[in-house]
Amino acid sequence: QSALTQPASVSGSPGQSITISCTGTSSDIGGYNYVSWYQQHPGKAPKLIIYDVSSRPSGVSIRFSGSKSGNTASLTISGLQAEDEAVYYCTSYTNTGALVLFGGGTQLTVL
Amino acid sequence: QLQLQESGPGLVKPSETLSLTCTVSGGSISSTTYYWDWIRQPPGKGLEWIGSIYHSGSSFYNPSLQSRVTISVDTSNNQFSLKLNSVTATDTAAYYCARRVLGATIHFDIWGQGTMVTVSS
Repeated sequence: QSALTQPASVSGSPGQSITISCTGTSSDIGGYNYVSWYQQHPGKAPKLIIYDVSSRPSGVSIRFSGSKSGNTASLTISGLQAEDEAVYYCTSYTNTGALVLFGGGTQLTVL
Repeated sequence: QLQLQESGPGLVKPSETLSLTCTVSGGSISSTTYYWDWIRQPPGKGLEWIGSIYHSGSSFYNPSLQSRVTISVDTSNNQFSLKLNSVTATDTAAYYCARRVLGATIHFDIWGQGTMVTVSS
């Protein structure tokens, strides 16, 4: 199965907001509200920051928010901080057999 | 706080079997609320779901790896394991174990730190 499609990189200045898109199909993102997002710093394990499209786990900053429209999910980070610089991955349930598809990852650079 | 820790050889020869174990601490692998999964990440690349197991032993795998993968669970030692046979250089990756919430949701809420496995002679 093809991975979900994310931009390779995005950037923003401290205090700004950025949005990362994640595009799939009706077999995954478009068909189910099972989109999650993970933050990965270099050499570290991924950390769950959004699940079920827009829910935040306990302890995750309210600056992180998620949404979905059709076959595209989005992660928005508001009030950018230097510590937000990381790679962000989207995932979605898929009904095509692999259970979960991952996006290719988006490198966020805080200028 | 539940923690996961991967262990196993960091170097495996081509055509041999990669074997890793994930030890669960601070909680029970027999919880009815979670699945236990393996995910991998080749160097500089994205993530790939490998497979999943429930404490009962019920397992399922990514179709792309299904012919080579076995995931098993040892509830007495609070561990689950991954075996990937006939490995090649393309199986070189960081391997993560993770906890996946059971129910009308799909997400991995706790991850191990990961272990790097290199396939090379």
